[in-house]
Amino acid sequence: EPEVTQTPSHQVTQMGQEVILRCVPISNHLYFYWYRQILGQKVEFLVSFYNNEISEKSEIFDDQFSVERPDGSNFTLKIRSTKLEDSAMYFCASSPTAGHGYTFGSGTRLTVV
Amino acid sequence: DAKTTQPTSMDCAEGRAANLPCNHSTISGNEYVYWYRQIHSQGPQYIIHGLKNNETNEMASLIITEDRKSSTLILPHATLRDTAVYYCIVRVLRDDKIIFGKGTRLHILP
Repeated sequence: EPEVTQTPSHQVTQMGQEVILRCVPISNHLYFYWYRQILGQKVEFLVSFYNNEISEKSEIFDDQFSVERPDGSNFTLKIRSTKLEDSAMYFCASSPTAGHGYTFGSGTRLTVV
Repeated sequence: DAKTTQPTSMDCAEGRAANLPCNHSTISGNEYVYWYRQIHSQGPQYIIHGLKNNETNEMASLIITEDRKSSTLILPHATLRDTAVYYCIVRVLRDDKIIFGKGTRLHILP
């Protein structure tokens, strides 16, 4: 069964540092997403990406966040200057069409200290 | 602005059918009902979706009432591995996102 792969599984970073979270979506999927889940809270939508541009973003996805699909296979989430409150599990997802179910990766646990 | 209402938690005995209800009384004609689940610390997992007809796949069955104001996800023979939070979500196909609520925490009891 095809999988969405996320690396690293766990990242610890100093407050104020930049981090890049990496995802390899399923190869024939066209729609890509980032979500986050703060410990004990709901899964929150961050951003959706289609045709090499952001199609929708939440209010969480401010100027500190950016996404990129640099080489046609990877899909990255960058946080420019991390804050303590960015500590969360970050999930990447992809889908072949807008209406199809999403396939989620196993997540990257980001800890900002 | 919750579009769906689900019980906070439910228990089900292993080997029995788990029936998870969802109310979506304000659903519009072009909105589909989706179900996902999240097993502890893992990424959410898509289960099934439907518009108005009942649907079945290898994981579950989805029963949607005729007026579409509620639905039930059925796991026919629950196992301990089905212990998870189950999310009922309504959306139109062209939506560029899915929004997760609090879901139902399903405990499968041995």
